[in-house]
Amino acid sequence: EAGVAQSPRYKIIEKRQSVAFWCNPISGHATLYWYQQILGQGPKLLIQFQNNGVVDDSQLPKDRFSAERLKGVDSTLKIQPAKLEDSAVYLCASSLEAGTLGAYEQYFGPGTRLTVT
Amino acid sequence: GQNIDQPTEMTATEGAIVQINCTYQTSGFNGLFWYQQHAGEAPTFLSYNVLDGLEEKGRFSSFLSRSKGYSYLLLKELQMKDSASYLCAVRDNPGGSGGGADGLTFGKGTHLIIQP
Repeated sequence: EAGVAQSPRYKIIEKRQSVAFWCNPISGHATLYWYQQILGQGPKLLIQFQNNGVVDDSQLPKDRFSAERLKGVDSTLKIQPAKLEDSAVYLCASSLEAGTLGAYEQYFGPGTRLTVT
Repeated sequence: GQNIDQPTEMTATEGAIVQINCTYQTSGFNGLFWYQQHAGEAPTFLSYNVLDGLEEKGRFSSFLSRSKGYSYLLLKELQMKDSASYLCAVRDNPGGSGGGADGLTFGKGTHLIIQP
């Protein structure tokens, strides 16, 4: 079974530039999450999708971050404009639809390491 | 608010046993998770506790006490490959068939160093 795919793996941009990350979840996983992991800290949830709808975006800095999952499969996370403090690893995770047996387990992708200079 | 505490770093010897503690204070509770994360890699799932007690899975065991807001991860017969960060995480919402929020709140992680 293929895992969660993310691209690019690394990205370096200057502050005030924009950047986009892509995630392809495990086939059949209805729920998709984006997490931000700053060096030395645990992942922090940014947004959760169930199919193509947003379930929770309470911690997403909406003035500069946006995310979409138009067809309920792939997702993109965008930052515009980037700030120095956005330097982090952006992790995508997926799980089965809530209420399904085994839905508690989230499977993480390899992440995109963003450096803002 | 959410608060999850775990030690920043621990050192143990190959072949020995180590216990990593986690305490939490969250607005709700619907399960506690442990993840392993090697440097530069994605977190991988280790265990899930929703009821009090001990869950054993091979060399790894996880314990939960909901009344005390406390969990630990026990690693036995330590191997060099167990050197990694161990993340404690709480799910404070149940999700449910209606598709409610069930994202995880993570602690900062415990960096475990295994020495020969």
